[in-house]
Amino acid sequence: GQQVMQIPQYQHVQEGEDFTTYCNSSTTLSNIQWYKQRPGGHPVFLIQLVKSGEVKKQKRLTFQFGEAKKNSSLHITATQTTDVGTYFCAGRRGGADGLTFGKGTHLIIQP
Amino acid sequence: DTAVSQTPKYLVTQMGNDKSIKCEQNLGHDTMYWYKQDSKKFLKIMFSYNNKELIINETVPNRFSPKSPDKAHLNLHINSLELGDSAVYFCASSPRQGGSYNSPLHFGNGTRLTVT
Repeated sequence: GQQVMQIPQYQHVQEGEDFTTYCNSSTTLSNIQWYKQRPGGHPVFLIQLVKSGEVKKQKRLTFQFGEAKKNSSLHITATQTTDVGTYFCAGRRGGADGLTFGKGTHLIIQP
Repeated sequence: DTAVSQTPKYLVTQMGNDKSIKCEQNLGHDTMYWYKQDSKKFLKIMFSYNNKELIINETVPNRFSPKSPDKAHLNLHINSLELGDSAVYFCASSPRQGGSYNSPLHFGNGTRLTVT
């Protein structure tokens, strides 16, 4: 079945440092979505990428979708304590396939 | 408030019992899902319904039975609970736009199930 691998599993950074999480799929994806889950909370949709090579920005967050539509990354510039949480990528092959989530990257920020 | 709401928020029960979790969305979405999140935060899809019809049924023990009385509700009934069923169960919904299932998911707050 479809697999979505996400690394690293944990990332400790000092406040103000940058952070990147990477996502790789074993199959070509129709789109990729990113979610953030705060501790004790539920996943909240951040963004969706559809086009090959697409780059989207949301303030300090930059999202990329690879040319082959098999990999993606999320980069946070100058992390803040509010960025703490688990970041998930989720991909779908297409049709009625459900979203397959990566295992998430837990971002821990030290003030 | 427009939302996906689940009840109960916490559920503690003994092995062998039967329990249900309810989910309702007032977003007007066509598709609803159940996801299981284990202790390592891994999110795995269990079921998906579109307009009351089952469209995804992953490899889940048949002790788990979803029911969708209408497109705004998707309930999950679990028979003969086992220790390994302990997890957080998330309901989610999404619109189906133009025949596409590519829309984002809106998650409920989750139900933390503890089986003792």
